[in-house]
Amino acid sequence: EPEVTQTPSHQVTQMGQEVILRCVPISNHLYFYWYRQILGQKVEFLVSFYNNEISEKSEIFDDQFSVERPDGSNFTLKIRSTKLEDSAMYFCASSEVQGLPHEQFFGPGTRLTVL
Amino acid sequence: KQEVTQIPAALSVPEGENLVLNCSFTDSAIYNLQWFRQDPGKGLTSLLLIQSSQREQTSGRLNASLDKSSGRSTLYIAASQPGDSATYLCAGLYRNKLVFGAGTILRVKS
Repeated sequence: EPEVTQTPSHQVTQMGQEVILRCVPISNHLYFYWYRQILGQKVEFLVSFYNNEISEKSEIFDDQFSVERPDGSNFTLKIRSTKLEDSAMYFCASSEVQGLPHEQFFGPGTRLTVL
Repeated sequence: KQEVTQIPAALSVPEGENLVLNCSFTDSAIYNLQWFRQDPGKGLTSLLLIQSSQREQTSGRLNASLDKSSGRSTLYIAASQPGDSATYLCAGLYRNKLVFGAGTILRVKS
């Protein structure tokens, strides 16, 4: 069964460093998303992406964040200068435009630890 | 502001019991509602999706209902098993984003 994959599973970085989290969405999906979950808190929406542009973003998704679909398969989230409060589990998700309406399928997550 | 609330926050039941998890949402303009399962330190597994025009969906021992007018959804788990122990999340889809509840932590004792 097709699934969303994410790399790395765990990323440790120093405060102020740039990180890139990578996702491979399900191949026939056209909507892509990033969410995050700080330990012990709710899953929070960051951004949605369709047709090579951001379709919606949350207040969390400030100028330090960016997303990109560099080729036909990868979808990336970049954090330019990490802060301690960026430590969280980051989930990528994807959904079809047609078929089941916007059912989102999630990857296993990348645990980001900022020291 | 769109908010999703789940009750109870935690639930512990003996194996074999039927149980109900509750979800409420403040904005009834949802496109659909999804129920997820999350195991500790793991990703989100989609269990059921109910479209806004539907009243319920069933998958195996799971049944989810949706009442948009009252802003509520329930997840019914029949004949619970220890393997059902996990955190159950509900999320409402608003345009392009899912808004999640905090989850119900379920423990099924053998």
